[in-house]
Amino acid sequence: SQTIHQWPATLVQPVGSPLSLECTVEGTSNPNLYWYRQAAGRGLQLLFYSVGIGQISSEVPQNLSASRPQDRQFILSSKKLLLSDSGFYLCAWSPPTEPKNIQYFGAGTRLSVL
Amino acid sequence: KQEVTQIPAALSVPEGENLVLNCSFTDSAIYNLQWFRQDPGKGLTSLLLIQSSQREQTSGRLNASLDKSSGRSTLYIAASQPGDSATYLCAVSPFGAGSYQLTFGKGTKLSVIP
Repeated sequence: SQTIHQWPATLVQPVGSPLSLECTVEGTSNPNLYWYRQAAGRGLQLLFYSVGIGQISSEVPQNLSASRPQDRQFILSSKKLLLSDSGFYLCAWSPPTEPKNIQYFGAGTRLSVL
Repeated sequence: KQEVTQIPAALSVPEGENLVLNCSFTDSAIYNLQWFRQDPGKGLTSLLLIQSSQREQTSGRLNASLDKSSGRSTLYIAASQPGDSATYLCAVSPFGAGSYQLTFGKGTKLSVIP
């Protein structure tokens, strides 16, 4: 069966510090991968989408970037965190074939930027 | 631009009661609609998915309906239990190449009182 792992579960970082959140998927090959952010009082917002190694689509202009160095690894990064980057970050995957909207979510990372 | 609204934002009911959660969307050209459950500080778990050609889906005590022409969906929970306490999110997916772009509502936070 397929599983998705995100870490860390909780992170507190000072403004201006770098960020690296990691997501890995097991039990499937060539998954589509997604990073979402859930800010307080707002719905989930799709940040990045990837269909393969090195292929990243950015959905929203922002202070963050994403990379996919391996087939089942997806990394969310920032060089300098802003207060507005605080939120709950969720990684998700979907099978390589249609439908891409059947997405499976990880447990999330709670990021607090102080 | 698709917008998804969920009413009410929060709901508290006594155990055993039947309840309805509402979801409305502005663009009826959807591929499908999903209902998710999110426990505090956790990821999303898919509950039900309704294709645009379907009217309803059932899973155990849960029944989701879809009226695409009016842009509405309801999630009916029968005989509510304390374990049903969570935030319920609905999300719609558009047709075509952008089908991975789920648009989420802000959710309804349900509390079932023992």
